[in-house]
Amino acid sequence: AQTVTQSQPEMSVQEAETVTLSCTYDTSENNYYLFWYKQPPSRQMILVIRQEAYKQQNATENRFSVNFQKAAKSFSLKISDSQLGDTAMYFCAFMNHTSGTYKYIFGTGTRLKVLA
Amino acid sequence: NAGVMQNPRHLVRRRGQEARLRCSPMKGHSHVYWYRQLPEEGLKFMVYLQKENIIDESGMPKERFSAEFPKEGPSILRIQQVVRGDSAAYFCASSPALTSTEAFFGQGTRLTVV
Repeated sequence: AQTVTQSQPEMSVQEAETVTLSCTYDTSENNYYLFWYKQPPSRQMILVIRQEAYKQQNATENRFSVNFQKAAKSFSLKISDSQLGDTAMYFCAFMNHTSGTYKYIFGTGTRLKVLA
Repeated sequence: NAGVMQNPRHLVRRRGQEARLRCSPMKGHSHVYWYRQLPEEGLKFMVYLQKENIIDESGMPKERFSAEFPKEGPSILRIQQVVRGDSAAYFCASSPALTSTEAFFGQGTRLTVV
C-alpha cells in the first residue's frame, strides 16, 4: 500500500527567510503524481505545486519549489522569501492509478508558522 | 466559473441523528471524491463517484455511511445515527474525468456531533 510521511508536525520561519518541508512516500509504482497542498485556517485546500514522476526537472511556482528525488522517494517543498500569508498547514499528497481510479493519499501535515 | 460548493459549512447533530452533506462540483465536472479529515490529521479518502455510479468506495465505513451522485443535483454524503467519532471536516473534490490527475476541493463541511 502507498503511504505518505511528513515527519515535521510543526515548523516556524522568520519572514523573508527560506524554509523546507519534508515528505517521503512509499510505492512500488513507477508512474504517479505528487502534490503539495496548503490549508489555511479557512480550511480551503489550495494546490501549491505538483510534480509528475516521469519528469526529472523539479517543479517551480514562483516562491515555491520542490526537490524531487525519485530513487529516495522524497518530495520536499522549499518556500523562499516566506510571507505571513504562508502560515498554514501543508499537506504532501500522492496520486496514482491504482485499482483503476486516481485518488489522493495525504500525509499528516506540517503546521508552518511565519514569524514577523 | 464557480468552484466546488459544499453546504452546509458547519453542521451540528445530536448523537443518533442523521447528517446530510452536499457537494456541487465545478461546472463540467462529472466526478466527485469525498474525503474526511479528523482533527489534527490529513485527509483520508472515503469514496469516488461518477454521476449515478459509485466507482470506488474502499474508504467508506461499512455501516451508517452512504454516498450518491444523482444525474441531477449535488452529490450527497449521508451519515446515519451519528456518533461522536464522526465529528470531522468532510471535503468534497471534483474532477472532469475518470483519468484526471488533479481534483479541485471545496471548503469542507465541519460536522460536530454533540
